[in-house]
Amino acid sequence: GEDVEQSLFLSVREGDSSVINCTYTDSSSTYLYWYKQEPGAGLQLLTYIFSNMDMKQDQRLTVLLNKKDKHLSLRIADTQTGDSAIYFCAEGMDSSYKLIFGSGTRLLVRP
Amino acid sequence: ETGVTQTPRHLVMGMTNKKSLKCEQHLGHNAMYWYKQSAKKPLELMFVYNFKEQTENNSVPSRFSPECPNSSHLFLHLHTLQPEDSALYLCASSPAEGADEKLFFGSGTQLSVL
Repeated sequence: GEDVEQSLFLSVREGDSSVINCTYTDSSSTYLYWYKQEPGAGLQLLTYIFSNMDMKQDQRLTVLLNKKDKHLSLRIADTQTGDSAIYFCAEGMDSSYKLIFGSGTRLLVRP
Repeated sequence: ETGVTQTPRHLVMGMTNKKSLKCEQHLGHNAMYWYKQSAKKPLELMFVYNFKEQTENNSVPSRFSPECPNSSHLFLHLHTLQPEDSALYLCASSPAEGADEKLFFGSGTQLSVL
């Protein structure tokens, strides 16, 4: 079945890099997404990657995709306190709008 | 401001009450979605509307009744809910249906059923 898994919690020091990991099960996924949810707010799309790509960089964000292992990661360089939030990984199927979300990883950035 | 507005932000209701959640988007999108976010569980898609037509009902109990009068507005009518229905209900919109369409989310309605 379809399943997206993430670790629940990550704590880093301000200025360090954060790496949030995600695994998924459906090899037919076409798109993989990272969403950010700040307290009291809805989900905000951070970045996404097509399944035929290995890496995508966008300013402080680097997404790595290992299709063989069905592993997706989000690296945040120079993590700031404003990056504290819940980060959701999601996969999109080939021809469907239906996204499958993980349970989210809560990132805490310590001063 | 994401362009997707949900009201109310918080709602407490008894199991015999009837209430409605409202979502409005000012982005000119044609597809709108209801998601349920429960603690420590993956986000669950509930309903999808594309050009005002319901295209997805993800096995949602009939005590949840969606309504989409136009492409800008989406409602979720609630009646005889259960305590396990307590969750954050998120509305989202996208230009159209499709895996390559990015979702824009509202801030959600935090629902507590007593």
